[in-house]
Amino acid sequence: DGGITQSPKYLFRKEGQNVTLSCEQNLNHDAMYWYRQDPGQGLRLIYYSQIVNDFQKGDIAEGYSVSREKKESFPLTVTSAQKNPTAFYLCASSMGLAGPQETQYFGPGTRLLVL
Amino acid sequence: AQSVAQPEDQVNVAEGNPLTVKCTYSVSGNPYLFWYVQYPNRGLQFLLKYITGDNLVKGSYGFEAEFNKSQTSFHLKKPSALVSDSALYFCAVRDDRGSTLGRLYFGRGTQLTVWP
Repeated sequence: DGGITQSPKYLFRKEGQNVTLSCEQNLNHDAMYWYRQDPGQGLRLIYYSQIVNDFQKGDIAEGYSVSREKKESFPLTVTSAQKNPTAFYLCASSMGLAGPQETQYFGPGTRLLVL
Repeated sequence: AQSVAQPEDQVNVAEGNPLTVKCTYSVSGNPYLFWYVQYPNRGLQFLLKYITGDNLVKGSYGFEAEFNKSQTSFHLKKPSALVSDSALYFCAVRDDRGSTLGRLYFGRGTQLTVWP
């Protein structure tokens, strides 16, 4: 988990509320990623970003939004349009996307619960 | 499309015995394969990866993985299991082409339990 921080560790969302999950890295990595983990389903990619001010949708982007204004930060907003947000959210980063040897490193995760 | 399959949801092994966690893959280009481990309520920790070269890859905590191109497999192994190895293990394949370059595709995970 070293070098990537996620906050908060637990987050509670009320119905109709937008919430933002924080992800910060001090590894000087260009690429950052957000995954959602549900029991028995592995990890599913929400959004990823190769460089500042650029990001792409993953497989389950609906109901989520991101921004990449700084290299070290990649916050994820879970909007009210996401009807089933309860999950464990993982942020990751890598030096880049192009090299086959690139390894993604993960933060400690944020567990989102709906009240 | 790239994908990996982990055919076993659970693997149980006695401490001191060898362990194997299975992974098979499907890729349209070169196979770049990864293993990660996850402890409860924690993020994923990188264990090892296969990019090219020797089919036996050594990684962290005494784990190794054997790449078999003919069987499209990348099984994780350890000669002598420890109770502390009990965790959720994920296999992943990296996309190396096109608009999805650099993405990882994960298996559903295998829960390893090592009994004392």
